[in-house]
Amino acid sequence: HSALTQPASVSGSPGQSITISCNGNSSDVGNFNLVSWYQQFPGKAPNLLIYEVNKRPSGISNRFSGSKSGNTASLTLAGLQAEDEADYFCYSYVNSRTFEKVFGTGTKVFVL
Amino acid sequence: QVLLRQWGAGLLKPSETLSLFCDVSGGSFSGFYWTWIRQPPGKGLEWVGDISHSGYTNYTPSLKSRITILLDTSKKQVSLKLNSMTAADTGVYFCARVPSYGSGKGALDIWGQGTLVIVSS
Repeated sequence: HSALTQPASVSGSPGQSITISCNGNSSDVGNFNLVSWYQQFPGKAPNLLIYEVNKRPSGISNRFSGSKSGNTASLTLAGLQAEDEADYFCYSYVNSRTFEKVFGTGTKVFVL
Repeated sequence: QVLLRQWGAGLLKPSETLSLFCDVSGGSFSGFYWTWIRQPPGKGLEWVGDISHSGYTNYTPSLKSRITILLDTSKKQVSLKLNSMTAADTGVYFCARVPSYGSGKGALDIWGQGTLVIVSS
């Protein structure tokens, strides 16, 4: 199953809001509300930011929010901070006989 | 606090078998899927496969002929075996936990530290 499509990079100034898209199709993002988002710093394991499209685990800042429309999920970072500069990945279940899951291609966020 | 500690050989020759282990401490096996993910150098994340607490496995189709994921509930350990390794399998391998219900449902909520695996002659 093909990876979900994300922009290679997104940039913003401190205090601004940015949105990262995650484009799939009707067999993955469009078929499940099991989309999650992860933040990864170089050399570290990813960290869960959002699950079930728009829910935040305890301890995650409310500056992070998620949404979905059709086959596209989105992660919004509000009030951008220097510490938000990292890689971000989306993740979804796939409706297939193999019960696969799939990651997005990843987005590097730059804080200008 | 639930912790996943990974261990296993990180330097392999082509055609050898990768064996990685993920020890779970501070939590239960029940109600979770246990997942392996890998990340080639400088690239994105790839879902490799997972196993339920009852032992039901799912594998990515491209690796299905070479992969085995097992659960040892007595040791609270998940293992990954990938045979016939090639340079294309080089990368960091992570184990992670996925809740089947409740907070974090369907998401990789806790990760191991990652293991760098290099395949080179």
